[in-house]
Amino acid sequence: DVKVTQSSRYLVKRTGEKVFLECVQDMDHENMFWYRQDPGLGLRLIYFSYDVKMKEKGDIPEGYSVSREKKERFSLILESASTNQTSMYLCASSSRQGRGYTFGSGTRLTVV
Amino acid sequence: AQKITQTQPGMFVQEKEAVTLDCTYDTSDPSYGLFWYKQPSSGEMIFLIYQGSYDQQNATEGRYSLNFQKARKSANLVISASQLGDSAMYFCAMREGYNNNDMRFGAGTRLTVKP
Repeated sequence: DVKVTQSSRYLVKRTGEKVFLECVQDMDHENMFWYRQDPGLGLRLIYFSYDVKMKEKGDIPEGYSVSREKKERFSLILESASTNQTSMYLCASSSRQGRGYTFGSGTRLTVV
Repeated sequence: AQKITQTQPGMFVQEKEAVTLDCTYDTSDPSYGLFWYKQPSSGEMIFLIYQGSYDQQNATEGRYSLNFQKARKSANLVISASQLGDSAMYFCAMREGYNNNDMRFGAGTRLTVKP
């Protein structure tokens, strides 16, 4: 069964901590994406990547960075976590020719 | 600017009846794709249906159909014969351009199916 795996389902971090959210896909997909999901706002695109070592800003990149050193792994980094980054984070991947995404099961991050 | 608009935060439908979830979009690109995803309470995102901007016919997938009205820029999801398991959040999404793969989502509609 093809998968996008997010390392943690639930995470609690303190304000100011550096936080790493990991995402791994086993489908050899070129494209990977990070979204955050908030009630009433839907999914908002943070960053995406079309290839190894490539990254593009989405609609809300402030306060986040990403790393893609290997094709299968796309990491989201919160350099200094803040309470307004408390949210559900969803990772997704797609092939270059594909139309839709495969999503991970999400990481619910709480920053206290 | 919001490119995908879902105006119904919540909807109720009786079991076995049909329901329409609204979605309007905004783009100036002639090439785009429209998607619907379902998110049950477990949190997984499940792909339901896709409509390409050049597709001549409305997309259908089992009990799901997409009412695509290009001139109105609307892409409503129709679920026929609702089941209790259809209770979930539903998101409309759009990808613009032929070579782009990044997708934008609407705010979602929470559908509740009543027995």
